[in-house]
Amino acid sequence: DAGVIQSPRHEVTEMGQEVTLRCKPISGHDYLFWYRQTMMRGLELLIYFNNNVPIDDSGMPEDRFSAKMPNASFSTLKIQPSEPRDSAVYFCASSSHHRWNYGYTFGSGTRLTVV
Amino acid sequence: KNEVEQSPQNLTAQEGEFITINCSYSVGISALHWLQQHPGGGIVSLFMLSSGKKKHGRLIATINIQEKHSSLHITASHPRDSAVYICAVRSHSGGGADGLTFGKGTHLIIQP
Repeated sequence: DAGVIQSPRHEVTEMGQEVTLRCKPISGHDYLFWYRQTMMRGLELLIYFNNNVPIDDSGMPEDRFSAKMPNASFSTLKIQPSEPRDSAVYFCASSSHHRWNYGYTFGSGTRLTVV
Repeated sequence: KNEVEQSPQNLTAQEGEFITINCSYSVGISALHWLQQHPGGGIVSLFMLSSGKKKHGRLIATINIQEKHSSLHITASHPRDSAVYICAVRSHSGGGADGLTFGKGTHLIIQP
């Protein structure tokens, strides 16, 4: 398995533009998570899905952020309009629910810079 | 919301030294993870614990559920162990998998 695949690896955009981050989870994993990492706040959960259904989006900063998971093999995180304070590394992770034994696999992250 | 505290924040040691990184959390959990993040930025899951102790190579992770505390040990440390080590917990939930709550990380540097 190629692991969790995120694209793009790096994104530089101007303030006000729409940004779309993409994630392909590991095949067979039924949970998908979007995290954001900044120097100030460290790693934070934004939203997670179970079987393609959003379960908890309480970490999404504001209405400018939206996430979708149209099928088991693909998810997007969209920021519209983007702002400089959105600059961060965005990680996608997936895991498999087997009783209590959840294992996590992280993608390589997307480094977003909004100028 | 679970609070996760790690110590120390920064640690510099000489090659070969025994390393201990500590993690405390505030409320009951279903699992605790130790993650490693190298300067390139990728995050690797090292261990997932719900009780006791796990060992993988030179890495050992322990957890004490009653004390809400976990430790990550590195024996015979090597410069390639230099990385940020992050403790993360999953709180109890009704039956699904909650997202993780992370500590701020411990920045470890092993000097040759």
